[in-house]
Amino acid sequence: GAVVSQHPSWVICKSGTSVKIECRSLDFQATTMFWYRQFPKQSLMLMATSNEGSKATYEQGVEKDKFLINHASLTLSTLTVTSAHPEDSSFYICSALGMGEGNQPQHFGDGTRLSIL
Amino acid sequence: GQNIDQPTEMTATEGAIVQINCTYQTSGFNGLFWYQQHAGEAPTFLSYNVLDGLEEKGRFSSFLSRSKGYSYLLLKELQMKDSASYLCAVKDSNYQLIWGAGTKLIIKP
Repeated sequence: GAVVSQHPSWVICKSGTSVKIECRSLDFQATTMFWYRQFPKQSLMLMATSNEGSKATYEQGVEKDKFLINHASLTLSTLTVTSAHPEDSSFYICSALGMGEGNQPQHFGDGTRLSIL
Repeated sequence: GQNIDQPTEMTATEGAIVQINCTYQTSGFNGLFWYQQHAGEAPTFLSYNVLDGLEEKGRFSSFLSRSKGYSYLLLKELQMKDSASYLCAVKDSNYQLIWGAGTKLIIKP
């Protein structure tokens, strides 16, 4: 089955640090990638959708200058949390779809737990 | 607006059967998904319904009625490891996935 690898799985860093999270599709070409954030005891919140080679589409209320998304290849998307602060501490999860999979289930990475001190 | 409703929390007994309901109002419909999410982990795909009726996968079954905007996930022979959150999600006419808030299922011995 389609595998999505997300790295790192856990990050702890100081306030003001920028953190990069990688999301890779290992055995398929991910034409579309999704980035989610999940706070404790809440559901997934879609942050942005990115198509390979295009600028990401951000959901309302998500700062595109703070959460930089790059989807430069069909197997890699990155999310950079710039100048992270404690309120950015959350569980970040990526998912992906291959070409023609518009009505198929998204393939999820294992998530990255970000803790900003 | 678009919304998906499911109970916040349910409790069931090991070995029993539980049904988790989901109702939705979305602009268009391109499939309904059920995911399981254990605490601290990413969601894992359970089932997908696009046509009316029942889809069975081992101990888990999912039902869909598009005319009623309704689905349920049925879990049989409950095991302690089934304690998790169960997320209902619908793809709308733009293939955007709309997520429910999830149902936390607590299994008691």
